Amino acid sequence: AQRVTQPEKLLSVFKGAPVELKCNYSYSGSPELFWYVQYSRQRLQLLLRHISRESIKGFTADLNKGETSFHLKKPFAQEEDSAMYYCALSGYGNNRLAFGKGNQVVVIP
Amino acid sequence: DTGVSQDPRHKITKRGQNVTFRCDPISEHNRLYWYRQTLGQGPEFLTYFQNEAQLEKSRLLSDRFSAERPKGSFSTLEIQRTEQGDSAMYLCASSQRKRDIGTGELFFGEGSRLTVL
Repeated sequence: AQRVTQPEKLLSVFKGAPVELKCNYSYSGSPELFWYVQYSRQRLQLLLRHISRESIKGFTADLNKGETSFHLKKPFAQEEDSAMYYCALSGYGNNRLAFGKGNQVVVIP
Repeated sequence: DTGVSQDPRHKITKRGQNVTFRCDPISEHNRLYWYRQTLGQGPEFLTYFQNEAQLEKSRLLSDRFSAERPKGSFSTLEIQRTEQGDSAMYLCASSQRKRDIGTGELFFGEGSRLTVL
């Protein structure tokens, strides 16, 4: 079974402050982790994936297999970062993508 | 190609009626997924197709739900005898991926919102 946990539902931060969204997962196989984002009135889209190991829009996420975590971080929040963020899990031998419940991020000007 | 498209975008129906949603994936994508999303929740997997074959179904997909992808291109999701609990956003996604190596990136449509009165 695969499970994704995002503990905080709503996160409000001031512009310029750091953002960290927590994601923990449970999966017995080799995981593939993603962060998806949904901006207001837009479709769900990929933000980043752990195998890419790149920074997208200033966001980074590191897969920690020991802690089974894939937290999303950005050092300085911007107003355009206000959105819903979903952590998602797939993996080898697994053909479905499982999502967490999501985090609503509100960046206060 | 404008990405994954879904139709209709909104559907209001009375309890007990049947509804059908259509999804047109990105043309070269061999995989097609259906998800359901209710308020305050993340998308929940319903079913997935590899080309025209329906390879996995969630336990959420009761016998009132049926999905098809007859020619490996567009897909339909039909809900028979709708119930108020079926009210949700139905999302379609597609990807290009071989079997059993994970999903890779999914490309989502804008969704079809169902309201059952």
